[in-house]
Amino acid sequence: AQKITQTQPGMFVQEKEAVTLDCTYDTSDPSYGLFWYKQPSSGEMIFLIYQGSYDQQNATEGRYSLNFQKARKSANLVISASQLGDSAMYFCAMREALYGGATNKLIFGTGTLLAVQP
Amino acid sequence: GAVVSQHPSWVICKSGTSVKIECRSLDFQATTMFWYRQFPKQSLMLMATSNEGSKATYEQGVEKDKFLINHASLTLSTLTVTSAHPEDSSFYICSAKEYGGNQPQHFGDGTRLSIL
Repeated sequence: AQKITQTQPGMFVQEKEAVTLDCTYDTSDPSYGLFWYKQPSSGEMIFLIYQGSYDQQNATEGRYSLNFQKARKSANLVISASQLGDSAMYFCAMREALYGGATNKLIFGTGTLLAVQP
Repeated sequence: GAVVSQHPSWVICKSGTSVKIECRSLDFQATTMFWYRQFPKQSLMLMATSNEGSKATYEQGVEKDKFLINHASLTLSTLTVTSAHPEDSSFYICSAKEYGGNQPQHFGDGTRLSIL
């Protein structure tokens, strides 16, 4: 079974609108972390936001917020007020066994290509 | 924020040569560094994980003798593609993280390797 699933290969959004990028995960480990990265066409991977499995509140970083629904095992990224510069590939990733015996490896999803239209 | 520098950003070389790629954490100590390979329009494929001062752990299917990884200090890791061939052409990207399970990996800008 896929550990990280991103079901949207590509999405369009109008500038200034909000957009939600889906991510579901599969783990039996009670301690895990979820990460979102942005990869523009230039190739670099930019860390956006982190959510720990024990965090009580949904993570927020500026225009990025993470809609964490633990029971549903989903960690959707919400981008508010989209900008043209948000056009990029977005990857969801998970690290298991955060505390004690952590492998440190990130498991990546297949990504969602977001295109922001003017 | 944490900065990871990867050099060179672009390499073109002849088949049979060896290519070294450097990955440096500029403002933090990277206890663990990672090397990934990415094919066009695909996700990142982890090649190996290296902890400072110890041998790298390679993922299944990755040739250790082909992709030599050295992590001699807390700020530098290198990947050497030995006797490179056209099939080794790809985008290689490194990342580094500080100690701690909740620390993110910070990525370099990647190296586009083209073997002719």
